Amino acid sequence: LAKTTQPISMDSYEGQEVNITCSHNNIATNDYITWYQQFPSQGPRFIIQGYKTKVTNEVASLFIPADRKSSTLSLPRVSLSDTAVYYCLVVPSTGNQFYFGTGTSLTVIP
Amino acid sequence: GAVVSQHPSRVICKSGTSVKIECRSLDFQATTMFWYRQFPKKSLMLMATSNEGSKATYEQGVEKDKFLINHASLTLSTLTVTSAHPEDSSFYICSALSEEADTQYFGPGTRLTVL
Repeated sequence: LAKTTQPISMDSYEGQEVNITCSHNNIATNDYITWYQQFPSQGPRFIIQGYKTKVTNEVASLFIPADRKSSTLSLPRVSLSDTAVYYCLVVPSTGNQFYFGTGTSLTVIP
Repeated sequence: GAVVSQHPSRVICKSGTSVKIECRSLDFQATTMFWYRQFPKKSLMLMATSNEGSKATYEQGVEKDKFLINHASLTLSTLTVTSAHPEDSSFYICSALSEEADTQYFGPGTRLTVL
């Protein structure tokens, strides 16, 4: 299983773009990358998922370079309500077990 | 998006009693569901994989006789914490695998407090 490494915490001011980078050097050919958001005392919420290049949805973008050894979650114009823990997961093509890393605790400052 | 519910959201019990937590996928069928636990300020830890119609697969170090899992239908999995003790107090979260979306959707979690 590919281990993921993320910054433990980040701070950002409201309205700024936030980029959270995740390292996954041992990612396998068929693995894909998934990001979740978790608020205190709630279950994780799916944000975005991708295999390579760039994926964008209504809440975030995911950038994956050609070697796929890292990925960057980009949150445009964050607000106070984006304060949460963000988890990067590398998901195997089979089995589908999720093994969570430490996550990144994002604090948005007014 | 897909919705997963858990019941109860919060439970307090006495040491030695058993507690059952339900996990339901409300708008999709899930052959596979997962159970996690999370301690304060810590990450989620996978406990077991629940497969509809078959035995659950437990992660290393998780006692299968302590944490009984039943996945009797395509929309319901239950976790029973047997003979609960204070050290079992935690936040238990389930997820359901959506084959259509090829990802997991998580329930809101159940806060268990054992006195």
